[in-house]
Amino acid sequence: EDQVTQSPEALRLQEGESSSLNCSYTVSGLRGLFWYRQDPGKGPEFLFTLYSAGEEKEKERLKATLTKKESFLHITAPKPEDSATYLCAGPLGTGTASKLTFGTGTRLQVTL
Amino acid sequence: ETGVTQTPRHLVMGMTNKKSLKCEQHLGHNAMYWYKQSAKKPLELMFVYNFKEQTENNSVPSRFSPECPNSSHLFLHLHTLQPEDSALYLCASSQDGDPHNEQFFGPGTRLTVL
Repeated sequence: EDQVTQSPEALRLQEGESSSLNCSYTVSGLRGLFWYRQDPGKGPEFLFTLYSAGEEKEKERLKATLTKKESFLHITAPKPEDSATYLCAGPLGTGTASKLTFGTGTRLQVTL
Repeated sequence: ETGVTQTPRHLVMGMTNKKSLKCEQHLGHNAMYWYKQSAKKPLELMFVYNFKEQTENNSVPSRFSPECPNSSHLFLHLHTLQPEDSALYLCASSQDGDPHNEQFFGPGTRLTVL
């Protein structure tokens, strides 16, 4: 079964300590990879779409990159307000069975 | 109102109750979705409506009954639920039912079944 796997499950950073979150998937050459941010008790907030290997997108302290097998969400000099769960998702399956499949997320905590 | 809205935000119900969740999207999209989010699990797709037609029923028990009267509104009717149905229920919308399109989510309804 096609899967989306995120690591680490949880990450604790100090303010200003840069790091990366990983999203890997079983389908090679995935076309379309989405990153979302979710705060506790709220719905996921759309961040980025990446469509092809080598593509990069940035938003404030976040940069998302895509290879043929995985995606990274790089967080540069994070602040406490970046604390949230970060979800990635990809359209797995083929034809009419294709659907957006989510990973379990990385729970990020940024402390002072 | 902008984006995707959901009501109620919180719901507590007994196993014999009947209730409904409501979702409305103000984005001009043609596809709407129901997801279930439980602790420690990935989002589970429940139903997909594309241009008001149901195109996905992901093996969801019949105690969950969706309704999509038009492209902007989506309901989830609940009856005879079980405690394990307690979860965050999320509505989303996208331009159409192609999973390569971005989906935009509402704030969710936190459901507790006693």
